[in-house]
Amino acid sequence: EAQVTQNPRYLITVTGKKLTVTCSQNMNHEYMSWYRQDPGLGLRQIYYSMNVEVTDKGDVPEGYKVSRKEKRNFPLILESPSPNQTSLYFCASSLRTGSSYGYTFGSGTRLTVV
Amino acid sequence: DAKTTQPPSMDCAEGRAANLPCNHSTISGNEYVYWYRQIHSQGPQYIIHGLKNNETNEMASLIITEDRKSSTLILPHATLRDTAVYYCIVRVGNIGTSYGKLTFGQGTILTVHP
Repeated sequence: EAQVTQNPRYLITVTGKKLTVTCSQNMNHEYMSWYRQDPGLGLRQIYYSMNVEVTDKGDVPEGYKVSRKEKRNFPLILESPSPNQTSLYFCASSLRTGSSYGYTFGSGTRLTVV
Repeated sequence: DAKTTQPPSMDCAEGRAANLPCNHSTISGNEYVYWYRQIHSQGPQYIIHGLKNNETNEMASLIITEDRKSSTLILPHATLRDTAVYYCIVRVGNIGTSYGKLTFGQGTILTVHP
């Protein structure tokens, strides 16, 4: 089944403890992206990647890192998580970045930083 | 990317057609209209997109006015499982800082009732 898989689905962690949220797609998509969703603020883009080894900042990149060493994987790294990073996170992928391609989203990772 | 305006909420009876409007009066000639929906904190789901012509797929139909300043998403026979937040997004893929980004507004909360 074509899908975007995120892990974990739920995570509770403490301030300052490094964590990684994984994202993997099996559709050979070039484009991948991370979003966070907060009440009243909607979905906001954190980082995106147009292809292997090509990444760039979205609207809210502070406190996050990403890497794209392989086409299928796009992990989101929080080096020193803080409570304001408590959020619902989504990974998305698309065949390419052109307007005519839809996006496939993962099921989400609910992160709580205490 | 052009901004969109959607009603905050709508109701629909099960089995009836749900018609969700979207205004995008500042849309540019190379911007597509996309519709996504999000069912209770799940990942957004791509529904349909179009540029100028009306489009139909197994999920829905998209009607775009001739001047492209507004569109309507039609769910022909709404079911309870169609209760979700529906997002109308207009974007161009490859220009400037919006490269690849989907800008989600607040969307329309569609409630399908028995």
